[in-house]
Amino acid sequence: NAGVTQTPKFRVLKTGQSMTLLCAQDMNHEYMYWYRQDPGMGLRLIHYSVGEGTTAKGEVPDGYNVSRLKKQNFLLGLESAAPSQTSVYFCASSYVLAGEGGGANVLTFGAGSRLTVL
Amino acid sequence: GQNIDQPTEMTATEGAIVQINCTYQTSGFNGLFWYQQHAGEAPTFLSYNVLDGLEEKGRFSSFLSRSKGYSYLLLKELQMKDSASYLCAVMDSNYQLIWGAGTKLIIKP
Repeated sequence: NAGVTQTPKFRVLKTGQSMTLLCAQDMNHEYMYWYRQDPGMGLRLIHYSVGEGTTAKGEVPDGYNVSRLKKQNFLLGLESAAPSQTSVYFCASSYVLAGEGGGANVLTFGAGSRLTVL
Repeated sequence: GQNIDQPTEMTATEGAIVQINCTYQTSGFNGLFWYQQHAGEAPTFLSYNVLDGLEEKGRFSSFLSRSKGYSYLLLKELQMKDSASYLCAVMDSNYQLIWGAGTKLIIKP
């Protein structure tokens, strides 16, 4: 049971280069997310998707694009990388935890992708 | 603005008890989560509180007071493997998660 798989795990880019981070989940989750994690800060949502063919902006979407052509895959693209995009990127998918209050989305995260932009 | 506050770092002794606090100010409230994140790894779900009170799950318990905007995670019988960062996150009125910066817990023998 793979869960959420991210590729690549590490990447070094030069300023201005482009790349795509791949995320795949095998749990049939509807919701998928891309976060970035920087030292001393909480996780910040970049983009998310509530189902196949849908995407929406999160807290810090500038400089990133996403696509969800298939339910199990969520791609994050950087068209022209900048040093400010040096970060650890986490993909997540979610299921609804039933219970008091009507349930809540519990996130399952991938192992992370460490991106350095020089 | 929306804000989640947690201590940056805490140290505790193996076998002891530690309480990690989280205070929040958000636009509405639809639940509070605790996640554990070992260094270099992904966060993993620990607990969810939406009503006031204590939720117990083995060695870990989580408490919520909505009127005070306050939660804590209580870890009992600490083990070395509990050394990790603990992330507090609140779901606001738009069902968006607001994350704290995390508390790094160091366990000493």
